[in-house]
Amino acid sequence: NAGVTQTPKFRILKIGQSMTLQCAQDMNHNYMYWYRQDPGMGLKLIYYSVGAGITDKGEVPNGYNVSRSTTEDFPLRLELAAPSQTSVYFCASSYTAVYEQYFGPGTRLTVT
Amino acid sequence: GQQLNQSPQSMFIQEGEDVSMNCTSSSIFNTWLWYKQDPGEGPVLLIALYKAGELTSNGRLTAQFGITRKDSFLNISASIPSDVGIYFCAGQESGSRLTFGEGTQLTVNP
Repeated sequence: NAGVTQTPKFRILKIGQSMTLQCAQDMNHNYMYWYRQDPGMGLKLIYYSVGAGITDKGEVPNGYNVSRSTTEDFPLRLELAAPSQTSVYFCASSYTAVYEQYFGPGTRLTVT
Repeated sequence: GQQLNQSPQSMFIQEGEDVSMNCTSSSIFNTWLWYKQDPGEGPVLLIALYKAGELTSNGRLTAQFGITRKDSFLNISASIPSDVGIYFCAGQESGSRLTFGEGTQLTVNP
């Protein structure tokens, strides 16, 4: 199993540009999550999904959108990039809501 | 929302020393998880705890689910240079999402 994979690994955006961060898992997990990690800080939940077709907001959803058309994929969309969105983005998955979460390697995004 | 306080924020130790860190919560948790994050990588699960009082080991790592269900502890014995990284606790209330602590940055001097 590849586990949780994320692309791209690094990206630099100009203010106002848009992009999609890709996330895929091959563990047949129902739950998937997007977090952001600012320097020296913990993880903040952006959005999560409990299954295909179902998504919900986390702690810091503003400026982001998600979709979950399949069990495997959970892309995160930034429509109008802002410098405040400069961060490291982690995707994670788990079998159930109370089970351990497994993380991808992260996407380092800089907005200038 | 839930508050998790993780301490210490950072630790500088000599190789071979033992390490202790802890997390406390303002809420009662049903699950405690401990993760390690190496530089430039995603967090990796170390230990999962599901019962109050539970004590679980993973090699030189030992974690405990506090009796009050509002705290958890992680101990690392005989530290080695590859223990360097950021250690995160995470806790989950019943029916709620996982909340992460701010992390403990561990530096091990050879």
